[in-house]
Amino acid sequence: DSGVTQTPKHLITATGQRVTLRCSPRSGDLSVYWYQQSLDQGLQFLIQYYNGEERAKGNILERFSAQQFPDLHSELNLSSLELGDSALYFCASSPQGASGGGTNEQFFGPGTRLTVL
Amino acid sequence: GQSLEQPSEVTAVEGAIVQINCTYQTSGFYGLSWYQQHDGGAPTFLSYNALDGLEETGRFSSFLSRSDSYGYLLLQELQMKDSASYFCAVRPNQAGTALIFGKGTTLSVSS
Repeated sequence: DSGVTQTPKHLITATGQRVTLRCSPRSGDLSVYWYQQSLDQGLQFLIQYYNGEERAKGNILERFSAQQFPDLHSELNLSSLELGDSALYFCASSPQGASGGGTNEQFFGPGTRLTVL
Repeated sequence: GQSLEQPSEVTAVEGAIVQINCTYQTSGFYGLSWYQQHDGGAPTFLSYNALDGLEETGRFSSFLSRSDSYGYLLLQELQMKDSASYFCAVRPNQAGTALIFGKGTTLSVSS
């Protein structure tokens, strides 16, 4: 158990809908990262928040957005869903947000499996 | 663009040694990491190399050559439970800690 929690575990919805995925980082970790994992694409970095502020952006679609709240939990909002958005969405956390040594270790949650029908 | 290349599949038998290679082409380089993921589960951190050379952690070792933009993960004394996907990942930015992952190598260990 990494200490990172994600809800819900599974989500089934229809095209065009909007969903919200939630992540609570490990106690004390200030950075939260969101990843999408599809069958043929591996782990795609979407976005990082550090202590409430957006720190880095990856291949995140405009239909997707995220935020990190004062209690450090984060939400990933996916809207106008398409069949291709079906994937595992992972949240990870780490203590660091910027350069400063360490091992770049990120702690991953169990993921949310999104199925768009 | 940024890319990490690793073989898609590797097979081996119990007790053997296997090497999973990773070559990277990224805008910057601030360390190569390896993660393990069992079927659909959460990826877990295995090792990290910031400098050239070999890092050993039990049965697993990881190597980095920055001049060749190349690294590998070496798994020794393979066990059935090592069957999993293995991802290499690079931190490309000094000012951030986001990682770029390879597409993963599926390792199948048979008896």
